[in-house]
Amino acid sequence: AQTVTQSQPEMSVQEAETVTLSCTYDTSESNYYLFWYKQPPSRQMILVIRQEAYKQQNATENRFSVNFQKAAKSFSLKISDSQLGDTAMYFCAPFGNEKLTFGTGTRLTIIP
Amino acid sequence: DVKVTQSSRYLVKRTGEKVFLECVQDMDHENMFWYRQDPGLGLRLIYFSYDVKMKEKGDIPEGYSVSREKKERFSLILESASTNQTSMYLCASSLGAGPVVDTQYFGPGTRLTVL
Repeated sequence: AQTVTQSQPEMSVQEAETVTLSCTYDTSESNYYLFWYKQPPSRQMILVIRQEAYKQQNATENRFSVNFQKAAKSFSLKISDSQLGDTAMYFCAPFGNEKLTFGTGTRLTIIP
Repeated sequence: DVKVTQSSRYLVKRTGEKVFLECVQDMDHENMFWYRQDPGLGLRLIYFSYDVKMKEKGDIPEGYSVSREKKERFSLILESASTNQTSMYLCASSLGAGPVVDTQYFGPGTRLTVL
């Protein structure tokens, strides 16, 4: 079974700063995918970014990027130039054994 | 845009009642999923379906069943609701058939309270 650890239950940063959310996981699979999902307050969960484990290049989506270290089984999310709309719960979710396994989440608050 | 809708945002039921949570997606997705979300536990998979008439147990299926008679609709059933099933329930769908790694699209959730 996969396990996922998000060691930061809550974080807060000032608007425009950069913040990094950590995620470590354990999997026995050699080829897999990893996702970060975002759940804004009272709104639907949406995809932030995804990474294929066989790709060495870290995924980037505008202000969002990942630091994927396969050997260490680490998949952190970096948010640059943070905005008020980034306030949300963030979930790390590796895909393996035919399903997503979600971490317990990090509640991120952007302070004006 | 993909749209996943759930029949109720808030629901209050009594212990022992049979409860139906409905989920509908409008993008012809093959895969559908039911999760429950609890503080400090993240999302846990209850059941999933890769095809109409096909359903598979997730990590926590006890006390739940599902129905998928039509491709676009996936229902979660609590045969006899209990207080420990008080939770937020999230439905999701994704494009491909089988365990392919497509993005999952989520509904707004149903917050169920069992008294």
